[in-house]
Amino acid sequence: DAGVIQSPRHEVTEMGQEVTLRCKPISGHNSLFWYRQTMMRGLELLIYFNNNVPIDDSGMPEDRFSAKMPNASFSTLKIQPSEPRDSAVYFCASSLGQPRNTEAFFGQGTRLTVV
Amino acid sequence: QQQVKQSPQSLIVQKGGISIINCAYENTAFDYFPWYQQFPGKGPALLIAIRPDVSEKKEGRFTISFNKSAKQFSLHIMDSQPGDSATYFCAASPELSGSARQLTFGSGTQLTVLP
Repeated sequence: DAGVIQSPRHEVTEMGQEVTLRCKPISGHNSLFWYRQTMMRGLELLIYFNNNVPIDDSGMPEDRFSAKMPNASFSTLKIQPSEPRDSAVYFCASSLGQPRNTEAFFGQGTRLTVV
Repeated sequence: QQQVKQSPQSLIVQKGGISIINCAYENTAFDYFPWYQQFPGKGPALLIAIRPDVSEKKEGRFTISFNKSAKQFSLHIMDSQPGDSATYFCAASPELSGSARQLTFGSGTQLTVLP
């Protein structure tokens, strides 16, 4: 298994532009998480899907952020319009979605720089 | 109440020494406590985890000690090696019925093991 696949690995964009980050979870996993990592705030959970349905989006910082999971093998995190303070590493993680089976597998992340 | 406090922020240890990282939590509903290891440019990866029904768990050179009454847990790395140099995150989550776990992460400890 290739693990959780994120694209792109690096993204540099200008303030005001739309940014779309992509994630392919591990096949068979039915829970998907988007995290943001910064030096100041560490790893923050942005949103969590279970069986393609958003369960908890309380971590999404603003309406500029949106996430979708149209099917079990693909999710996107969109920022529109982007701002310099959105610069961070964004991680996608997936898990089997069972309370007693708890390991979350992380992708390699997308490093976003908004200039 | 969702916070997990981690210390120290950074740690430098000589090869062969013991590395100790501490975490404390407030939410008594937390019942799963994993540690994740992150190398530069990579996503976090599960290292070892413990549930509160035991006070200690050991896997190779890595040991988690858990003190339920004090709401504290720690990671001990015995015989630390330069290859252990990474950022370590503690995390915690409650068991959610029918759902995957939402991890709350500590702020991370950057470990450097000197050769």
